[in-house]
Amino acid sequence: QVQVVESGGGLVKPGGSLRLSCAASGFTFSDYYMSWIRQAPGNGLEWVSYISSSGSSIYYADSVKGRFTISRDNARNSLYLQMNSLRAEDTAVYYCARGRNFVDSWGQGTLVTVSS
Amino acid sequence: EILMTQSPATLSVSPGERATLSCRASQSLTVNLAWYQQKPGQAPRLLIYGASTRATGIPARFSGSGSGTEFTLTISSLQSEDFAVYYCQQYNNWPPWTFGQGTKVEIK
Repeated sequence: QVQVVESGGGLVKPGGSLRLSCAASGFTFSDYYMSWIRQAPGNGLEWVSYISSSGSSIYYADSVKGRFTISRDNARNSLYLQMNSLRAEDTAVYYCARGRNFVDSWGQGTLVTVSS
Repeated sequence: EILMTQSPATLSVSPGERATLSCRASQSLTVNLAWYQQKPGQAPRLLIYGASTRATGIPARFSGSGSGTEFTLTISSLQSEDFAVYYCQQYNNWPPWTFGQGTKVEIK
């Protein structure tokens, strides 16, 4: 069945970096647009970044533009999020999400905590 | 950026009763709106897309309606497993996709 599994979260100091990964299975990964969506503790959902199926179109939320980089490796069925210059307000559960307009499959999320 | 506003923030409903959740957009979305359900400690789950089309495996007691700027999610007869937080999301004008702040459906 369709599955996306995130990894790479953890505790990092302000200004630090972290790379999230998402392993996809059960579907033709190269056919799908993918996103990262985050949820701060006790808060709602915030779309972070989006990449087209080929990787040719990429978008970022203003809150992460210039600090985060989304990428994908269709040969490895994997999605990535490189997060640099992390801030306390980036603390959240980060979800890997499948879909071009709406999300029809979500991972279980990986927690990123930015704290000194 | 399109602002999505959900109401009420919390809805107290007894099992078996009907629940009606609202979502308002700051600009017209035509029907480019989705609804998600999220239970504590879990990822969201897609319920409705295209404002009124149920996603695969979603029970018929969930229905969506509306167009333009006003949308409604109705749960016809609440079951115990339906108590959760519900989010709307627009995909008419992006980037960015934007979500409402959520409506928590709790047991009365």
